[in-house]
Amino acid sequence: NAGVTQTPKFRILKIGQSMTLQCAQDMNHNYMYWYRQDPGMGLKLIYYSVGAGITDKGEVPNGYNVSRSTTEDFPLRLELAAPSQTSVYFCASSPYAGGVTDTQYFGPGTRLTVL
Amino acid sequence: GNSVTQMEGPVTLSEEAFLTINCTYTATGYPSLFWYVQYPGEGLQLLLKATKADDKGSNKGFEATYRKETTSFHLEKGSVQVSDSAVYFCALSDRSGGYNKLIFGAGTRLAVHP
Repeated sequence: NAGVTQTPKFRILKIGQSMTLQCAQDMNHNYMYWYRQDPGMGLKLIYYSVGAGITDKGEVPNGYNVSRSTTEDFPLRLELAAPSQTSVYFCASSPYAGGVTDTQYFGPGTRLTVL
Repeated sequence: GNSVTQMEGPVTLSEEAFLTINCTYTATGYPSLFWYVQYPGEGLQLLLKATKADDKGSNKGFEATYRKETTSFHLEKGSVQVSDSAVYFCALSDRSGGYNKLIFGAGTRLAVHP
């Protein structure tokens, strides 16, 4: 059981380049999330999805875009990379249980540097 | 809004020492509370959780009690090991806005020396 997988593990971008961070889960979870983690900080929510075809913004969505065409996949797109987007990006998923106790399962992260 | 405050690190301990990492929260309603652990180079893993007041979550020798009167969820372990060296995040669940999200503290780095 792979859980949540992310690719690539590391990436260096030049300012203005674009890229897609891939995330996939094999647990049939409805909810999926993208976070960024800046040095010495907690995680901040970028975007989330409650199911295929449904996405919405989190706390820090500017400069990012997402899509959710299947239950399994939730890619994050950076269109015009900026140094402020240098961070570690985590994807997570959780089952829908109708309550507030849903545990989130995290991928291993993608370390992105924009120069 | 809802928030989580953790003690600043790093926390440096010798093996077999007692560990406490403080966590307090501000929230409306009755959130669930979590401790996640991040080992070097890895993603976050759920360590333990508690869903209501006075619940005690426990796992791998770690425990934390949901204290509503003090709005706290402190993490404790009686005897730490070198393998416990990691960053520990306290978090609460927040369903305002109609979806389930986690609000994280800034994390506390723990270094355990032999």
